[in-house]
Amino acid sequence: AQKVTQAQTEISVVEKEDVTLDCVYETRDTTYYLFWYKQPPSGELVFLIRRNSFDEQNEISGRYSWNFQKSTSSFNFTITASQVVDSAVYFCALSEFTGGFKTIFGAGTRLFVKA
Amino acid sequence: EAQVTQNPRYLITVTGKKLTVTCSQNMNHEYMSWYRQDPGLGLRQIYYSMNVEVTDKGDVPEGYKVSRKEKRNFPLILESPSPNQTSLYFCASRAGTGAEEQYFGPGTRLTVT
Repeated sequence: AQKVTQAQTEISVVEKEDVTLDCVYETRDTTYYLFWYKQPPSGELVFLIRRNSFDEQNEISGRYSWNFQKSTSSFNFTITASQVVDSAVYFCALSEFTGGFKTIFGAGTRLFVKA
Repeated sequence: EAQVTQNPRYLITVTGKKLTVTCSQNMNHEYMSWYRQDPGLGLRQIYYSMNVEVTDKGDVPEGYKVSRKEKRNFPLILESPSPNQTSLYFCASRAGTGAEEQYFGPGTRLTVT
């Protein structure tokens, strides 16, 4: 069965600190997709990144970077030089090929960035 | 502008009074889904639809109904709401292949007293 674990419920950092949000997943499929979404205080859900199970290449987008490691079933998200605008709840999600790519979300990590 | 719309955005109702939350998307997406968000539990899928007239249960379908008569609309129906259905509800859509990200509506905050 698919499962996504975000063990960090809340993280608090000071602006300009680097912070890593952890995501561990469970799946029996060999074909699956991993996602990160951001939910700022305004409440909407914003897509950040998608990664498929055949592509373990890490990705960097500005201050954001993602580390995908199949060996540890992890898809961690790092924010470099955090800013107050990064304060949000971040969700990791998994879609499996089996079952029509139904998406399972983790419980989310709430990030507070203090000025 | 590509978007998913939901109405109403906020709703306070009483136990047992039937209600419908509408959802509409303008991206011609085949896949639509309803989630509820509760503190500490993340987003849990209620129902999803792979296409018109094709719907299936998610992880927490009890107490909810859906229909998909048109590709763009996917209303969520609570026939007899109860206080444990107080939650934040999101509608989402994506293209049908499954590999794409989902586009979410703005959310509906429902309170059942």
